[in-house]
Amino acid sequence: NAGVTQTPKFQVLKTGQSMTLQCAQDMNHEYMSWYRQDPGMGLRLIHYSVGAGITDQGEVPNGYNVSRSTTEDFPLRLLSAAPSQTSVYFCASSAGGRYLGGELFFGEGSRLTVL
Amino acid sequence: AQSVSQHNHHVILSEAASLELGCNYSYGGTVNLFWYVQYPGQHLQLLLKYFSGDPLVKGIKGFEAEFIKSKFSFNLRKPSVQWSDTAEYFCAVTALGNTDKLIFGTGTRLQVFP
Repeated sequence: NAGVTQTPKFQVLKTGQSMTLQCAQDMNHEYMSWYRQDPGMGLRLIHYSVGAGITDQGEVPNGYNVSRSTTEDFPLRLLSAAPSQTSVYFCASSAGGRYLGGELFFGEGSRLTVL
Repeated sequence: AQSVSQHNHHVILSEAASLELGCNYSYGGTVNLFWYVQYPGQHLQLLLKYFSGDPLVKGIKGFEAEFIKSKFSFNLRKPSVQWSDTAEYFCAVTALGNTDKLIFGTGTRLQVFP
């Protein structure tokens, strides 16, 4: 069972470069989200989607874009990378839709370093 | 908007000791509460959740949590910890009217020594 798959697992960028973190889930979940995890700050919600074609901002959306053209995929785009975006990024999905009553299933994370 | 506080940042215990990790949330209305665990090198997984009903919730691996509405708290407990419980523990909340956002606390790192 693949679950939530994130690529790449590791990435090093230079300041100003752009890139896309890929996230795919094979559980037919309506809800998908992106978090970043930083030491001492826990997980902070970047963007989320309650279904194909619907996205919304979380706690820390600046510098990131998302789109949801299919149920399975939810890519996170860094438009112009900054050192403050050095972090571990987690994608998560849930069957709950807009009512997040269910369990969030997390990917294994993508570690991004911006020099 | 809802928020979550975890005041224990780092807890060190010996095996067989009892565990209690604090979690407080700020939101005056109805909430759903969760505890997630992240074992070293692994992704987060759900330990337990509370939606309604019995305020004492039992989860996997012998963990339980108690929802105390008057104290806005949802503390995690385990009577006797094992070395394999070494992990980071996150409390999280969704709020009525904001149920599409799961907001996490800053986490508590638990180290258990044999």
